[in-house]
Amino acid sequence: DIQLTQSPSFLSASVGDRVTITCRASQGISSYLAWYQQQPGKAPKLLIYAASTLQSGVPSRFSGSGSGTEFTLTISSLQPEDFATYYCLQLNSYPYTFGQGTKLEIK
Amino acid sequence: EVQLVQSGAEVKKPGESLRISCRGSGYSFTSYWINWVRQMPGKGLEWMGRIDPSDAYTNYSPSFQGHVTISTDKSITTAYLQWTGLRASDTAIYYCARGYSSGWSDFWGQGTLVTVSS
Repeated sequence: DIQLTQSPSFLSASVGDRVTITCRASQGISSYLAWYQQQPGKAPKLLIYAASTLQSGVPSRFSGSGSGTEFTLTISSLQPEDFATYYCLQLNSYPYTFGQGTKLEIK
Repeated sequence: EVQLVQSGAEVKKPGESLRISCRGSGYSFTSYWINWVRQMPGKGLEWMGRIDPSDAYTNYSPSFQGHVTISTDKSITTAYLQWTGLRASDTAIYYCARGYSSGWSDFWGQGTLVTVSS
């Protein structure tokens, strides 16, 4: 199975900050990576697919980049509603696997 | 409007059987896969498997293969996740999600909480 390692696991930041979350794959996955946001008690929400394509309706402050084994999710200017847990998901090969999650908290 | 509506919370005893459902509406049900994802209490997301409703072809994670069965009834645009011998460790929230053939899921159900306790 392909392992995804997110860093950091916890991130404390303030409204207006620029933050970056990294997702590293244990082997190359081309651009078969998606990013999800999960608010407490809610279903995950798709933010980015194909590593860098913004899902319809997602604010442009979210962006994704990378290919192969290293990927990043960047939020350019944190808004109050962005404090949540973020997961990457590889879709290159079965079984699909998620990263362990990054919890973004208010400083 | 695309919607995935899941069945309600369940409380079961170890060894019992269970089937939970996920009804899709607002889109062509057979044009998208249905993925199932587990979230144990306070933990992260785990991909369990997926089904193509057009022909019932499935892929399972080895972690879940043999313990759960994913199925679909396209006549009522519903997908199912089934257990024949529940364990306490099956206690979790289970999500269904509409998926593309390339893998990512855009619309998700609201989740079904399954509690297995003696």
